[in-house]
Amino acid sequence: EADIYQTPRYLVIGTGKKITLECSQTMGHDKMYWYQQDPGMELHLIHYSYGVNSTEKGDLSSESTVSRIRTEHFPLTLESARPSHTSQYLCASSGSPGAFFGQGTRLTVV
Amino acid sequence: DQQVKQNSPSLSVQEGRISILNCDYTNSMFDYFLWYKKYPAEGPTFLISISSIKDKNEDGRFTVFLNKSAKHLSLHIVPSQPGDSAVYFCAASSGAGSYQLTFGKGTKLSVIP
Repeated sequence: EADIYQTPRYLVIGTGKKITLECSQTMGHDKMYWYQQDPGMELHLIHYSYGVNSTEKGDLSSESTVSRIRTEHFPLTLESARPSHTSQYLCASSGSPGAFFGQGTRLTVV
Repeated sequence: DQQVKQNSPSLSVQEGRISILNCDYTNSMFDYFLWYKKYPAEGPTFLISISSIKDKNEDGRFTVFLNKSAKHLSLHIVPSQPGDSAVYFCAASSGAGSYQLTFGKGTKLSVIP
């Protein structure tokens, strides 16, 4: 069974605050991803990593940043949250074609 | 420009009947295709996949068909159950080990008891 965890599940935060969305996986996968999804829309890749100290931006431009200091951990940070950042953020990892997803973080910036 | 298209935003099917969800793609470099099921406020759950070297893959009630010449794939669910009601996403990846997925916008399936 896939073990990939995201915290928090839901977050409501004020404009200008710094936030970090946590993502951890216990499968030892080198490849990890962050996707963003708005209601009724496709999932868009915003960041990916192919291993420790490797991070790249995805297809959708995002003001967020990521880090990969440990294989199992791939946090996403927003330095100054804005209402336009309101969305669902999904973390995934893969060791083969396809990916396992976490349960997501629903972020609301007010 | 959308590389993976799911042109039906929604589909309603009677319980016990067949559900057919369709997906078209434009990028001929895609060589691996997947279907995910997603409930609101949850992450997508992997359902079934197919490699471009095959034209059919079956797993229980779920079958995926791939027509490479038409750049089209479909997911068949037989028989449909109320618990199948969810949003279904088609996704594709190109090889070379990147495993990055390009998603369609999803089709919301409602199975009516």
